[in-house]
Amino acid sequence: DAGVIQSPRHEVTEMGQEVTLRCKPISGHDYLFWYRQTMMRGLELLIYFNNNVPIDDSGMPEDRFSAKMPNASFSTLKIQPSEPRDSAVYFCASGVPGDTQYFGPGTRLTVL
Amino acid sequence: GEDVEQSLFLSVREGDSSVINCTYTDSSSTYLYWYKQEPGAGLQLLTYIFSNMDMKQDQRLTVLLNKKDKHLSLRIADTQTGDSAIYFCAEDSSYKLIFGSGTRLLVRP
Repeated sequence: DAGVIQSPRHEVTEMGQEVTLRCKPISGHDYLFWYRQTMMRGLELLIYFNNNVPIDDSGMPEDRFSAKMPNASFSTLKIQPSEPRDSAVYFCASGVPGDTQYFGPGTRLTVL
Repeated sequence: GEDVEQSLFLSVREGDSSVINCTYTDSSSTYLYWYKQEPGAGLQLLTYIFSNMDMKQDQRLTVLLNKKDKHLSLRIADTQTGDSAIYFCAEDSSYKLIFGSGTRLLVRP
């Protein structure tokens, strides 16, 4: 199994641009999570899905952030417009009930 | 509220034991986890303990759980330089994981 796949691994963009982060969960996992990691705030849960349906998006910072899961094998996290304070490492994780979450390698986002 | 706390930094000599401590708040957590994060990488599950257990041993790793005090610890025996990383404890809360801030372990040769 390839594990959770995220792309791109690194993204550098300018303030105001749209950024789209992508995630492919492990096959068969019906939960998908998006996290953000920064030095200041540590690891924060942004949103999670169960069977492609968003369950809890209370961690999404503001309306500039949106996440979708059009099917069981793909999710996106979009930031529009991006700001320098969005610079962070964004992790996607997947799992099933009764098991832990398996993390992808992360996308390092830098907004100039 | 939900808050998992860890000390930020631990330095040990190679070959010594490391003990990383964590306090959590949700007494209804079913599992408690330890994750390891190496530089530039994602989080890797190290071990976990079911909430009705007091101790779990897995090779060089020993997890101790004190439910009364909501205290969790991870002991790494014979610590190696490859163990240098950030260690996160996490509790599950309605299938969300609540992470601590992470403890950076530095292993000195």
